[in-house]
Amino acid sequence: GAVVSQHPSRVICKSGTSVKIECRSLDFQATTMFWYRQFPKQSLMLMATSNEGSKATYEQGVEKDKFLINHASLTLSTLTVTSAHPEDSSFYICSARGYEKLFFGSGTQLSVL
Amino acid sequence: GQNIDQPTEMTATEGAIVQINCTYQTSGFNGLFWYQQHAGEAPTFLSYNVLDGLEEKGRFSSFLSRSKGYSYLLLKELQMKDSASYLCAVGEYGNKLVFGAGTILRVKS
Repeated sequence: GAVVSQHPSRVICKSGTSVKIECRSLDFQATTMFWYRQFPKQSLMLMATSNEGSKATYEQGVEKDKFLINHASLTLSTLTVTSAHPEDSSFYICSARGYEKLFFGSGTQLSVL
Repeated sequence: GQNIDQPTEMTATEGAIVQINCTYQTSGFNGLFWYQQHAGEAPTFLSYNVLDGLEEKGRFSSFLSRSKGYSYLLLKELQMKDSASYLCAVGEYGNKLVFGAGTILRVKS
C-alpha cells in the first residue's frame, strides 16, 4: 500500500481563496518532506523542502508568503496556497524519504477558477 | 547549474525493446533515479543507480556512467501499459531530486 498519503486529490476553488494540502507518511517518520509542482506536460519542479520543527527551505522564485509550509510533526507536512489565482492551477505532489527510497504522494490537482 | 536532458518523445512497438537516454550536469550527485508517471498520477519509482554499471529488475534495467554523466533506462518486452512518461532524476545532497523534463513513451500494437 501507499506509504505517503496526500489529500485532497482534487480541489476546485475560487480565485482569492486559500487551499491546504496535507502530506502524511503512513508507516515511517519523515523529518524532511518535499513539495513539487508540475504544470501540464512539464516535469516536476521542486518548490520547497519541509523540515520538521523548523522553517521550510524554498527554491529560488517560489514565494514563501504565498506557499505556506508547516511541518509540525514527523508524519505530517502541509502546504497552504494562500490567495490562490488561476496561474496557481497545477498538480502539487509531496514526497518523503523512507526505507532508503523517496516515496511520492498521489498528488493534488488544484484548479483555481 | 543543473541540466538534465532526455528525449521528449519516443515510440516503440509492443514486444520490442526501447532505451531512454538521460544526460546530466549537476552541482551535486547522490544517485540517479528513474520514475514512471502516467498522466494525472504521481510518479512511481523504477530504479536507482549510485554506482557505475547496470541494474536489472525484471523487464526494466538502468545503467549509469558517472564519469560521462549518462544513464539509460531499458525496457524489454514492451507492453501497452508501459505507455507513460519516464522521468530521469538526479539526487542531490539533502535528499533533493532534480527532475528532467521526462520522455513520453508511446507503445503501439
